This record gives sequence, structure tokens and C-alpha cells, in this order.
Amino acid sequence: EDQVTQSPEALRLQEGESSSLNCSYTVSGLRGLFWYRQDPGKGPEFLFTLYSAGEEKEKERLKATLTKKESFLHITAPKPEDSATYLCAVQDSGGYQKVTFGTGTKLQVIP
Amino acid sequence: AAGVIQSPRHLIKEKRETATLKCYPIPRHDTVYWYQQGPGQDPQFLISFYEKMQSDKGSIPDRFSAQQFSDYHSELNMSSLELGDSALYFCASSRGLLLNTGELFFGEGSRLTVL
Repeated sequence: EDQVTQSPEALRLQEGESSSLNCSYTVSGLRGLFWYRQDPGKGPEFLFTLYSAGEEKEKERLKATLTKKESFLHITAPKPEDSATYLCAVQDSGGYQKVTFGTGTKLQVIP
Repeated sequence: AAGVIQSPRHLIKEKRETATLKCYPIPRHDTVYWYQQGPGQDPQFLISFYEKMQSDKGSIPDRFSAQQFSDYHSELNMSSLELGDSALYFCASSRGLLLNTGELFFGEGSRLTVL
């Protein structure tokens, strides 16, 4: 069964203090790994899709990377508006649409 | 731009009652997914539909059923409600059976409280 583990569970950063979030995954075959952002009481908002080891994607202060066993979401010089829960999810190549989510990392950026 | 519409946004039911949640996908999206998210937990995949047919099934209880209609909207029917069913229920939509971009568009969610 697909498994996604994220660490740390919570992260508190000062504004401008860069850091990385980790996502370890286990799937029989990876179709895609996804990063989402979720604000309290809202639906997850899509950030990135990564398909193969070595791939990188960037968006503003966020950069996602992928290896065969894990993905990292690097946050460079974060701002308070980056505070949210960041969810990692995977889609197994054996299934059709099931996307399995991790429990997320709750990021708080302090001014 | 049009987003995924879910209704109702909030619902309060008693134990053993029945509830129905509705989801209207983004126009031209033919695939709908249902997720359940408990407090502080990750979204758990329940079920998905493509072109009005069930395409994948996750941890959906037997007390729950769902379908996708000809206009592509979907309904999640929940019967014999239990306290543990209290959660945020998200609907997401995408275009096509395979997630070419991996982008699921999520609605704002329906918060179900079972008393």
C-alpha cells in the first residue's frame, strides 16, 4: 500500500530563514509526486508535480526536488504569507486516480 | 475562473441520520474525487468517478455511496451516520482519466458534524 511520510510535523521559521520540508514515499511504481498547500478550513491548493528522480520545479520562493525515495520542498527567504500546511501526495502507476496524501508539515513564518 | 462548488458548506446531523453532499466540478472536468479529512489529519481518498463511472475506490465505508451524474456533478450519500464521520469532506476535479499534470482542483469542503 502506498505510504507518504512528511517531516517535520510542524516548523516555525523567522521571516527570511530558509529551510526544507521532507516527504518520504513508498509506492510500487511512481506516476507522480505532488505538493499542495492548505490553509485552515480550505481545500488543498496545487503547487507542483514531479514525475522522475532528479526533476526540480520552482515557484516564487518554493523549489521542489525529487529522488527515488523522497522529495524536498525548499523554502527560500519565507514570508508570513507562506504560513500554511504543506501536503505531499503520490499517485501509484498501478492505479487510476487514487492520490495518497501525507499528514503534512504545518509551517509558521514569524515576522 | 470557475472553481469546484460544494454544498452544503456546513451540515449538522444526529447519529443514525442520513446526509448528502453535492459537488459541482469545474466546467469541462470529467473526473471527480471525494476525500475525507479529520481534524489535524491528511485527506483520505474515498472514491473517484470518470465519465460517470466509478474509477477508483479507497477507504469509503459501506454506509457511504456516491455517483456521478450526466452533468458531471457528484453526490456523496452517507447513511447511519456515526460520530466518527464528523470531518471535512472535499471534492476535487480534474480533466481526463490520467492526471497529466497532477493538478487536482479542490473545493472549499463540506464540514459535517455528527452529534
